[in-house]
Amino acid sequence: GNSVTQMEGPVTLSEEAFLTINCTYTATGYPSLFWYVQYPGEGLQLLLKATKADDKGSNKGFEATYRKETTSFHLEKGSVQVSDSAVYFCALSSLAGGTSYGKLTFGQGTILTVHP
Amino acid sequence: DADVTQTPRNRITKTGKRIMLECSQTKGHDRMYWYRQDPGLGLQLIYYSFDVKDINKGEISDGYSVSRQAQAKFSLSLESAIPNQTALYFCATSDLDEQFFGPGTRLTVL
Repeated sequence: GNSVTQMEGPVTLSEEAFLTINCTYTATGYPSLFWYVQYPGEGLQLLLKATKADDKGSNKGFEATYRKETTSFHLEKGSVQVSDSAVYFCALSSLAGGTSYGKLTFGQGTILTVHP
Repeated sequence: DADVTQTPRNRITKTGKRIMLECSQTKGHDRMYWYRQDPGLGLQLIYYSFDVKDINKGEISDGYSVSRQAQAKFSLSLESAIPNQTALYFCATSDLDEQFFGPGTRLTVL
């Protein structure tokens, strides 16, 4: 079955530091890959996505590249801000023919705290 | 106004009680989902629905039931709540593979 593994947290950084959160996956077929972010007290919201190998998703200074050869989708940001403090979830959606319900499989989440 | 709303936002109940969590959406999506979130476990899918006449079990459906009253409404019921159902519950809707989440319901079962 499908699975997503994220680096364990929590991750604590100083403002302007470089961020990497690792994500690897196991899936059949050709999944789409996502990063969702959950700010305190809120639901999840889509941060970025990539739908095929070598695609790069980007948003708000965050980037992730779909690497099929290493089954990875690592999240990076060059200079984090205090406002980036949140929980980050890697996820995949496998749209296999005949059952295209777009069910998401999530990683366990990584808590990021950024200090001034 | 929020596209996906959930009521109540917080609920404390006792073991054995029946409880219903409600979800409404204004995005016009056919697909709706219920997840629970436990610390360190990410989100686990409870039930999902492709349209009003289609309901499917997810990974952890035992102890839960759902009702799709209309395209815009999808409710989750706990027929007899137990303490290990204490969690944060999220409703979501989707078009194809991008999902849009509600703000969550924090449920505590004593």
